[in-house]
Amino acid sequence: DVKVTQSSRYLVKRTGEKVFLECVQDMDHENMFWYRQDPGLGLRLIYFSYDVKMKEKGDIPEGYSVSREKKERFSLILESASTNQTSMYLCASGHKREVYNEQFFGPGTRLTVL
Amino acid sequence: AQKVTQAQTEISVVEKEDVTLDCVYETRDTTYYLFWYKQPPSGELVFLIRRNSFDEQNEISGRYSWNFQKSTSSFNFTITASQVVDSAVYFCAEDSGYALNFGKGTSLLVTP
Repeated sequence: DVKVTQSSRYLVKRTGEKVFLECVQDMDHENMFWYRQDPGLGLRLIYFSYDVKMKEKGDIPEGYSVSREKKERFSLILESASTNQTSMYLCASGHKREVYNEQFFGPGTRLTVL
Repeated sequence: AQKVTQAQTEISVVEKEDVTLDCVYETRDTTYYLFWYKQPPSGELVFLIRRNSFDEQNEISGRYSWNFQKSTSSFNFTITASQVVDSAVYFCAEDSGYALNFGKGTSLLVTP
C-alpha cells in the first residue's frame, strides 16, 4: 500500500514561530504536494514539487516555503507563523501525469497558531 | 482558468436511499483527468476513481458508479443503497497539469 506520512497530526504554535511540517512517501513518486484545507474553501494548493530540489508555487504560496532535498521527503515551512495560517495541512504524492497520476494523501496536520 | 464546481454543499439521506453527487468541470485541455476522493471523519482523503478525457464509459464498482459526460462537462458520482459508513465529504477534482484542482466538496450524511 502507498504510504504518505506526516510528522504530526496536531500542532500548536505561537505567532512568529518558525514551523516545519514534514511529509514522507514510500512509493518513489516523482511529484509531491502541499495543500491546506479550510471550511468552505476546499483544498487549495500551496506548493508542489516534481523532482528533487524543484518547486513550483501553487495558488496560495504567500507566507510559506518548501524544501525537497530527497525524493521521498517534502517539507513545508512557515517562516513566521500567523493566526491566519491556522488550518489543516495535507501532503500528497503521485507519479507524473503520463504514468498514473492520482495523488495519495497523508493523514493531515491540524495546525493551530495562537 | 480550470475550475471544478460541486454545487451541492450538503446532502442528507436515509440509509438505503440512492444519492448522486454532482460535479461540473471547466478545462481548455483536450487531455485531462478527473478524480473523486472521499474524506471520512478521520480526515484522510481516500482516492476513489480516476477517469481520463478519452474514456467516457461509465464505471461501476460495487455500490458506486460514475457517469462521465463530456457534452455537459460533468462527472457525477452515484452511491446506490447508501450506508451510514458512506457519510463523508466527497471531492471531485481535475488534473490541471501537475496538481489537482479540487471542488469545494459535498458533505454527505447518511442516517439510519
